[in-house]
Amino acid sequence: GAVVSQHPSWVICKSGTSVKIECRSLDFQATTMFWYRQFPKQSLMLMATSNEGSKATYEQGVEKDKFLINHASLTLSTLTVTSAHPEDSSFYICSARPSGRGTDTQYFGPGTRLTVL
Amino acid sequence: LAKTTQPISMDSYEGQEVNITCSHNNIATNDYITWYQQFPSQGPRFIIQGYKTKVTNEVASLFIPADRKSSTLSLPRVSLSDTAVYYCLVGDVTNDYKLSFGAGTTVTVRA
Repeated sequence: GAVVSQHPSWVICKSGTSVKIECRSLDFQATTMFWYRQFPKQSLMLMATSNEGSKATYEQGVEKDKFLINHASLTLSTLTVTSAHPEDSSFYICSARPSGRGTDTQYFGPGTRLTVL
Repeated sequence: LAKTTQPISMDSYEGQEVNITCSHNNIATNDYITWYQQFPSQGPRFIIQGYKTKVTNEVASLFIPADRKSSTLSLPRVSLSDTAVYYCLVGDVTNDYKLSFGAGTTVTVRA
């Protein structure tokens, strides 16, 4: 149980294009999902918190107009990288916290490798 | 978010027990302690979670002293496949349960 999927697993795009990444909780509902970014040899950096039915809250330094997050259902959140540039190349990971639980367990997706040429 | 401190790296050999201690001096009353494992190019995998005393599952044990200012993850009889980065995290229950990842501990298991 507690499986989170991401699609696509990797994507290569040209500079200036937009890329959408999907995060799905497969066997549980998640009121809250999180998006992280991880550069090589570094730790995960929280980008934003996504709550179903409301606007995402972004961490300091993360451009909300560049990283659009939509959490339209209890099992799906999407991250759209708009007008991507090479510096946006990174490993993007989502996580989901099961609804109704009293603890902070987050279950992570397998990640999406974005390469912007 | 409660800050955690753990060793940058640890080396071990197959069959040995590995203990990783994490400090979280400013843990709040309602915070839980969670450990994750991450392999290269993969998302973190949940290992274990606890609030106090000892928790054990099929993969690991977690020891938490009474003051909860530290915790120790114990991996029994490690194998080569346990080579990974291990993260100790304390969730912020007052702030959407956000997690702040530190550098983690790179555990290298040798034959």
